[in-house]
Amino acid sequence: EAQVTQNPRYLITVTGKKLTVTCSQNMNHEYMSWYRQDPGLGLRQIYYSMNVEVTDKGDVPEGYKVSRKEKRNFPLILESPSPNQTSLYFCASSIIQGSNQPQHFGDGTRLSIL
Amino acid sequence: SQQGEEDPQALSIQEGENATMNCSYKTSINNLQWYRQNSGRGLVHLILIRSNEREKHSGRLRVTLDTSKKSSSLLITASRAADTASYFCATAANTGGFKTIFGAGTRLFVKA
Repeated sequence: EAQVTQNPRYLITVTGKKLTVTCSQNMNHEYMSWYRQDPGLGLRQIYYSMNVEVTDKGDVPEGYKVSRKEKRNFPLILESPSPNQTSLYFCASSIIQGSNQPQHFGDGTRLSIL
Repeated sequence: SQQGEEDPQALSIQEGENATMNCSYKTSINNLQWYRQNSGRGLVHLILIRSNEREKHSGRLRVTLDTSKKSSSLLITASRAADTASYFCATAANTGGFKTIFGAGTRLFVKA
């Protein structure tokens, strides 16, 4: 089954404790992306990657890091989480045929930073 | 900054009625997409309309695009309680980049 898998689904942690949210897709998609969703703001793009070792900033990259060492994986790293990073996070992937192709989304990761 | 802006923010209708949601954007686009999100779940792609298309249909969905007004609308005909969800438009600037910009969404509630 084609899917995007995020882990963990839920996490409560404390300020400053490094955490990683993993994302894996089994569709051989070139494009992967991370979004955060906050009430009233819709989805905002954090980082995206067009292929292995190619990453770029979205609209809200501050406080986040990503890596793309393998095509299927695109982890999101919060080196020193802060309460303003409490949010619902989504990973997505798509093929690349020009920009803005339909994206497949994971089920989300709800992060609470205390 | 958000490019896509949907309105209304929320819409409540009776089952069987049509629901219309609008999206406005600011820059030139290659295409515009509509997604659906059930409460707290991941988004599901509904339909994509290219910048050279004016209207597209998929089942009970009808999407229009007016590039001169930088706006799109999503019409759901004969709505069902199962259509209750949030609906988002998404665009990417026609500048060769691959950023995706989502609007804040319209929350649709269909009463049985």
